[in-house]
Amino acid sequence: AQSVTQLGSHVSVSEGALVLLRCNYSSSVPPYLFWYVQYPNQGLQLLLKYTTGATLVKGINGFEAEFKKSETSFHLTKPSAHMSDAAEYFCAVSDPANTGNQFYFGTGTSLTVIP
Amino acid sequence: DAGVTQSPTHLIKTRGQQVTLRCSPKSGHDTVSWYQQALGQGPQFIFQYYEEEERQRGNFPDRFSGHQFPNYSSELNVNALLLGDSALYLCASRRQVVGGYTFGSGTRLTVV
Repeated sequence: AQSVTQLGSHVSVSEGALVLLRCNYSSSVPPYLFWYVQYPNQGLQLLLKYTTGATLVKGINGFEAEFKKSETSFHLTKPSAHMSDAAEYFCAVSDPANTGNQFYFGTGTSLTVIP
Repeated sequence: DAGVTQSPTHLIKTRGQQVTLRCSPKSGHDTVSWYQQALGQGPQFIFQYYEEEERQRGNFPDRFSGHQFPNYSSELNVNALLLGDSALYLCASRRQVVGGYTFGSGTRLTVV
């Protein structure tokens, strides 16, 4: 079974400050990991994904995440927050061996950027 | 290149009614998954269709059913609507086995 825990349902940062959104996963096999962003009244947009290889993954809009197997974590960071980063962020995990590739999502973290 | 298209964008139904939601996958994609996102929650997997068959199903009752057509488009049907079925329904598509999913903007269903 797989699951995702996102610590902190709401995170507030000042514009220009570091963004850190936390994600821990539970999986019986090495997982695929994803971060999605959702703006109000919109669907999910893929920010970045980890499948295999380099554990530091760079995504769109300056975001990156590092897969740490020992900590079962996949935290999302951005060095300098921008007002346009305000949105809901979801971490997701899937089992590569499962051809259905069902995603298990966390409950999300709402990011507020303070001017 | 059109992404995933869902229709309608919003609808309101009465408890006990039936509803059909539609999804056109991204060009080149042959696999469609449906997710339910309740307010303030992460998306929950309903089921996945590939080659016109349901391949995997999440923990949803039989009131939720689906279909995939030869052109890879898909429908989600919900019978005997409950107030708790009110949610954003997301469709996601991909090419089988390859990469991640592309999500549509969703259909906001309100049951009154």
